[in-house]
Amino acid sequence: EPEVTQTPSHQVTQMGQEVILRCVPISNHLYFYWYRQILGQKVEFLVSFYNNEISEKSEIFDDQFSVERPDGSNFTLKIRSTKLEDSAMYFCASSDRTSNRELFFGEGSRLTVL
Amino acid sequence: AQSVTQPDIHITVSEGASLELRCNYSYGATPYLFWYVQSPGQGLQLLLKYFSGDTLVQGIKGFEAEFKRSQSSFNLRKPSVHWSDAAEYFCAVGARGGSYIPTFGRGTSLIVHP
Repeated sequence: EPEVTQTPSHQVTQMGQEVILRCVPISNHLYFYWYRQILGQKVEFLVSFYNNEISEKSEIFDDQFSVERPDGSNFTLKIRSTKLEDSAMYFCASSDRTSNRELFFGEGSRLTVL
Repeated sequence: AQSVTQPDIHITVSEGASLELRCNYSYGATPYLFWYVQSPGQGLQLLLKYFSGDTLVQGIKGFEAEFKRSQSSFNLRKPSVHWSDAAEYFCAVGARGGSYIPTFGRGTSLIVHP
């Protein structure tokens, strides 16, 4: 069964460092998303991406965040200068037009900022 | 904007007992409704969804949920819980007519005692 894969599963970084989280969505999907979950809190929407551009983003998705689909298969989330409060589980998801926008999620990347 | 409340952070049940996980939403019209499950080390997996029609929805793994418009609820139920059901359960609501990107609740952690 096709699945969304994310790497790394866990990353530890120092405050102020840049981090790139990678996702390989399901191959025929057209819509891509990033969500995050700070420990003990809600799963929060960050950004959606369609047709090589951001289609929607939340207030959380400020200038320190960016997304890219560099090669037609990967979908990346970059955090330019990490802060302690960026520590969270980051989930990538993808969907297509025909599944009523059911989101298929990856296993998540846990980011720990020290 | 839509919102979701899962009032129970933790639920503990005995194996074989029935289960009901609560979910209340806030949205001005009939929303799209979802339940996702996250097992340890796994991504978010869709259990079931409500888009329209029959308000009692059957999902995978023996779960069902009932949409009650009058109560703005979409509670998840299972008649007999198995130890493998221990996981984190997320309710999500999507708005119709627009991006309908799901908004998630904070999750309910299900603990199953033998």
